[in-house]
Amino acid sequence: RKEVEQDPGPFNVPEGATVAFNCTYSNSASQSFFWYRQDCRKEPKLLMSVYSSGNEDGRFTAQLNRASQYISLLIRDSKLSDSATYLCAVNPRLGGSQGNLIFGKGTKLSVKP
Amino acid sequence: SAVISQKPSRDICQRGTSLTIQCQVDSQVTMMFWYRQQPGQSLTLIATANQGSEATYESGFVIDKFPISRPNLTFSTLTVSNMSPEDSSIYLCSVDLGGSNTGELFFGEGSRLTVL
Repeated sequence: RKEVEQDPGPFNVPEGATVAFNCTYSNSASQSFFWYRQDCRKEPKLLMSVYSSGNEDGRFTAQLNRASQYISLLIRDSKLSDSATYLCAVNPRLGGSQGNLIFGKGTKLSVKP
Repeated sequence: SAVISQKPSRDICQRGTSLTIQCQVDSQVTMMFWYRQQPGQSLTLIATANQGSEATYESGFVIDKFPISRPNLTFSTLTVSNMSPEDSSIYLCSVDLGGSNTGELFFGEGSRLTVL
């Protein structure tokens, strides 16, 4: 089983749709979780950290389910500008370098007019 | 956030040569991280560059192939040595500006390397 796995995608949705991505991780001791966004031919940019209680930032909601070892990202009222690849990232190390994030391959989202 | 500048942004290189990628940050940071993103693959950490000490390499990456320098708290270089077509990739430097090593990484724009 790969350390971090994401929905294969691509997701093609109309504007205004609600879309959800899931990401599973294999290391139950993982400590911190993130969603990054990567536009075509650009660097990844942090979208959200994922907290145990779940967190929301505008149209974006992130959830963590430790028992089932997955995190999710929900995007409501999709905009054309949401089109990008969404990367799930997990830090598996307790007390170790926080830079060693394990990334999924990403899920591509395409929002159509 | 931070301004992270990488050079070169792209290059085409011949097999067997070496290329050094530079990363400059506009603020002082303890650790800088070098990642690789191969076509269709996830980002993979190559090594962590600490100022004043040897870089820490991840499994599968060695210093002879990817020597790293970290002369001060705002600058680092990664060299890809004796390149082969398998080294064609995007190389990204990143820093953690979230405070107390939160894992919230900021990335440079990347250096897209093509090896012929």
